Amino acid sequence: GDSVTQMEGPVTLSEEAFLTINCTYTATGYPSLFWYVQYPGEGLQLLLKATKADDKGSNKGFEATYRKETTSFHLEKGSVQVSDSAVYFCALNSGGYQKVTFGTGTKLQVIP
Amino acid sequence: NAGVMQNPRHLVRRRGQEARLRCSPMKGHSHVYWYRQLPEEGLKFMVYLQKENIIDESGMPKERFSAEFPKEGPSILRIQQVVRGDSAAYFCASSPGVAGADYGYTFGSGTRLTVV
Repeated sequence: GDSVTQMEGPVTLSEEAFLTINCTYTATGYPSLFWYVQYPGEGLQLLLKATKADDKGSNKGFEATYRKETTSFHLEKGSVQVSDSAVYFCALNSGGYQKVTFGTGTKLQVIP
Repeated sequence: NAGVMQNPRHLVRRRGQEARLRCSPMKGHSHVYWYRQLPEEGLKFMVYLQKENIIDESGMPKERFSAEFPKEGPSILRIQQVVRGDSAAYFCASSPGVAGADYGYTFGSGTRLTVV
């Protein structure tokens, strides 16, 4: 079955540091890949997505590239802010009506 | 343009009581998904519904849990005879079509159920 593996958190960074959150996946076919962000006490928000190999999703300074050869979709940001502190979920959908499969989430803490 | 509306935001139930969680999808969305998030864990799929139909309930516990999405009104997730292990955040998501390449989910803010 489909699965998503994320790096364990929490990840603690100083403001303006470079961020990488690793994500690898196992799926049948050619899945769409997503990153969601969850701020404290809120639901998940779609951050970015990529639908095919070598696509790069980007939003709010975050980006991730769909790497089929390494089955990865790592999230990166060049300079994090305190307001980026949240839990980040990598997810995939294998197409059709199948449900989206989420990773366990990686908590990011950015300190001033 | 209201997003996905869930209520209540917080729900406290004693063991053995019933919990009813409501979800109104975004306008124009006819697909609803329920997920459960246990403390310090990721989201686990429970059920996928379209209007008046359950499409996939493979993540629902076989007993005490049920879901519906009637022709009129919100989707309801119902938990009968709640136990402490049911304490979690329950999130509803909606999409205009299948959650494939062209869509992501739109999530509600969740209902945090506490069983005492």
